[in-house]
Amino acid sequence: EAGVAQSPRYKIIEKRQSVAFWCNPISGHATLYWYQQTLGQGPKLLIQFQNNGVVDDSQLPKDRFSAERLKGVDSTLKIQPAKLEDSAVYLCASSFGGPNTEAFFGQGTRLTVV
Amino acid sequence: KQEVTQIPAALSVPEGENLVLNCSFTDSAIYNLQWFRQDPGKGLTSLLLIQSSQREQTSGRLNASLDKSSGRSTLYIAASQPGDSATYLCAVQNFVFGPGTRLSVLP
Repeated sequence: EAGVAQSPRYKIIEKRQSVAFWCNPISGHATLYWYQQTLGQGPKLLIQFQNNGVVDDSQLPKDRFSAERLKGVDSTLKIQPAKLEDSAVYLCASSFGGPNTEAFFGQGTRLTVV
Repeated sequence: KQEVTQIPAALSVPEGENLVLNCSFTDSAIYNLQWFRQDPGKGLTSLLLIQSSQREQTSGRLNASLDKSSGRSTLYIAASQPGDSATYLCAVQNFVFGPGTRLSVLP
């Protein structure tokens, strides 16, 4: 069974530029999560999708971050414009059901904003 | 607001020791708690998922317990090996993560 796929693995951009991350969850998984992880911290949930609907985006900085999950499968997370403090690892995860089911993570995208 | 803490922040032990990692959460109304392992520069690997109706789960040398009333979970690692060196994180309902315990097992 293929795992959660993310791309790119690494990205370096200048502040005020835009960037997009892509995630392909495990086949059949209805729930998809995006997290932000900074050095020495646990992941922080940015947004949760159930199929193609948003369940929780309370911690998503909506003035600069946006995410979509078209057709309830792949998802993209976009930052525009990027700030220095957005430097982090962006992790995507999926689970078969809701938050009471096991989550599986991708390798993450390491973003450096200079 | 749910908060998750983990103690200790870092741990260094000689190979072969049994060890316990601790996870505490403030709101006991949870569906489940999951333990993960994270290797440097990698994503998270699921180790054990404990549903709120369960008291413990076991996988190989790993055993995780859950006490909702006290807001605690422990991860027990038996006969530790150098390959166990990683950061161990707990998470409540896939939403709120602790900061992790960085484990080093010395050969």
